[in-house]
Amino acid sequence: ETGVTQTPRHLVMGMTNKKSLKCEQHLGHNAMYWYKQSAKKPLELMFVYSLEERVENNSVPSRFSPECPNSSHLFLHLHTLQPEDSALYLCASSQNRGFEQFFGPGTRLTVL
Amino acid sequence: QQQVKQSPQSLIVQKGGISIINCAYENTAFDYFPWYQQFPGKGPALLIAIRPDVSEKKEGRFTISFNKSAKQFSLHIMDSQPGDSATYFCAASGGGTSYGKLTFGQGTILTVHP
Repeated sequence: ETGVTQTPRHLVMGMTNKKSLKCEQHLGHNAMYWYKQSAKKPLELMFVYSLEERVENNSVPSRFSPECPNSSHLFLHLHTLQPEDSALYLCASSQNRGFEQFFGPGTRLTVL
Repeated sequence: QQQVKQSPQSLIVQKGGISIINCAYENTAFDYFPWYQQFPGKGPALLIAIRPDVSEKKEGRFTISFNKSAKQFSLHIMDSQPGDSATYFCAASGGGTSYGKLTFGQGTILTVHP
């Protein structure tokens, strides 16, 4: 595997389900990000982890819970989501202040 | 003040033509301005980037023009090809964080007709 991988690529869940999105970066970076991409809206930064410490949480509802067990892995735990949470969830990584972020292909989430 | 405004939302160009996408920002602390390209089913990928100490940067058919006084920057794609059809995002970053916090524009869907 190379770059940034995300699993699953597609996820359909009911409003009462609990699921998790997984991201893995194979680039040796020390910062990882979760973004939400909705149609006709800018990419919304959700969470940032730098050196495995959460450094930013952009007023994201508590039904989204991130976890970064090490510098290569990032999870987004989902619980009691709403239909408006349906979107493409993108993971990215970067090295220090290297502003180039490398994105994964995303997980297309549909909440019924 | 953290917004980056991008226009147009969509753009249709004939093969061989010039595609121009514009962005404007308010925050003068921004010091890095990348453009990302996203194909369907893929995540965004860095295309080209510029810092405010230069007014233009060219990489192949892609050029960023930067106007610091107007707080505007634009992407020009020369000799546009059908393979350039994608969504383009401008972004801006800066402000002293220890990581690359990017603020993205709304995106432009570019279609290049053969």
